[in-house]
Amino acid sequence: KQEVTQIPAALSVPEGENLVLNCSFTDSAIYNLQWFRQDPGKGLTSLLLIQSSQREQTSGRLNASLDKSSGRSTLYIAASQPGDSATYLCAVRNAGNMLTFGGGTRLMVKP
Amino acid sequence: NAGVTQTPKFQVLKTGQSMTLQCAQDMNHNSMYWYRQDPGMGLRLIYYSASEGTTDKGEVPNGYNVSRLNKREFSLRLESAAPSQTSVYFCASSEGAGETQYFGPGTRLLVL
Repeated sequence: KQEVTQIPAALSVPEGENLVLNCSFTDSAIYNLQWFRQDPGKGLTSLLLIQSSQREQTSGRLNASLDKSSGRSTLYIAASQPGDSATYLCAVRNAGNMLTFGGGTRLMVKP
Repeated sequence: NAGVTQTPKFQVLKTGQSMTLQCAQDMNHNSMYWYRQDPGMGLRLIYYSASEGTTDKGEVPNGYNVSRLNKREFSLRLESAAPSQTSVYFCASSEGAGETQYFGPGTRLLVL
């Protein structure tokens, strides 16, 4: 059974800092990996989707990488801003339609 | 475009009561999903519908039923609510299986 772990569970950084969020998964036979953002009391917003054949995806200040063989993905946030404060979730898709989610990293960016 | 909408936003039930959570999407997506989110357990898939007319069990289907009413709508029914079903329920949709999933705002359910 696929297991997805996100470390750290919580992170507090000053504004302007570059930061890395980590996601690891136990079964490397994935179809794709998706990063989401969740604001308190809200639904999830998709940030980036990386197919298993890709190494990275970029959107603005966000860059996600995937190393399928080692079961790892990272989300890099450049020049963090207070508006980036949220919980970040990664999810992997194996065979079938099921996404397996990590527990999330709660990020706070202080002004 | 409203995206994915869910009703109600919040509901309180007594043990044994039934209710249906409604979900609709206006993106012409083929696939729809129901998740629950619990502290310490993360998001878990309850049921999904890969396309209109099909439904399949996810990780935690016990105590729930679903109906894919048409391409737009996917409902989740609790026949006899239990306190263990207290959770936040999210509906999501995607163009196809494995594509980017788009989530609704959630329904907060409290079962007393």
